[in-house]
Amino acid sequence: DQQVKQNSPSLSVQEGRISILNCDYTNSMFDYFLWYKKYPAEGPTFLISISSIKDKNEDGRFTVFLNKSAKHLSLHIVPSQPGDSAVYFCAGVEENTGFQKLVFGTGTRLLVSP
Amino acid sequence: DTGVSQDPRHKITKRGQNVTFRCDPISEHNRLYWYRQTLGQGPEFLTYFQNEAQLEKSRLLSDRFSAERPKGSFSTLEIQRTEQGDSAMYLCASSLSLAYTQYFGPGTRLTVL
Repeated sequence: DQQVKQNSPSLSVQEGRISILNCDYTNSMFDYFLWYKKYPAEGPTFLISISSIKDKNEDGRFTVFLNKSAKHLSLHIVPSQPGDSAVYFCAGVEENTGFQKLVFGTGTRLLVSP
Repeated sequence: DTGVSQDPRHKITKRGQNVTFRCDPISEHNRLYWYRQTLGQGPEFLTYFQNEAQLEKSRLLSDRFSAERPKGSFSTLEIQRTEQGDSAMYLCASSLSLAYTQYFGPGTRLTVL
């Protein structure tokens, strides 16, 4: 049962343009969402998060949008830079008796070309 | 803040051997998590410690797996009688209590021949 889905395995964007990475979820108990970026041979690096009571959170070039009724969130990167090329994971947080368990999607590989 | 560290970064072993991995979390973090990531998948939760207490284990964690965090600081994950299906990246993460954000280490890549 895939609770978090990232249906696009890859995305190619030109430098300077907008990158939009999408994520859908099925578990309505998620109360927080996070995006992580992962380079090869490294662990995931935290990027940005959003609470389920918000619909938008912005941090520099990164903005995450949450549509609770559609159970959909997206990460916008503007402008995209070649250094943004990495695999991006969306994760939902299910708070379970005071312990936060991350449930990850399968990732989207972003390639930003100069 | 030196970040989460893991050792070794790579481990190649033969089927049937035992392996042990170490994780050193961010020093002030009292929560520690282990995840496993296989090719083409996102990380999957294995187990969680609050200080030295192991409070949650996934059904993915078979009897061959054991994890400890003896003094509430570093943690070890041991796999006994390794199988080829254990080949994966093993990731450790830590966080503060009540914080949603988990910080990951670089991972240990295990290859079972």
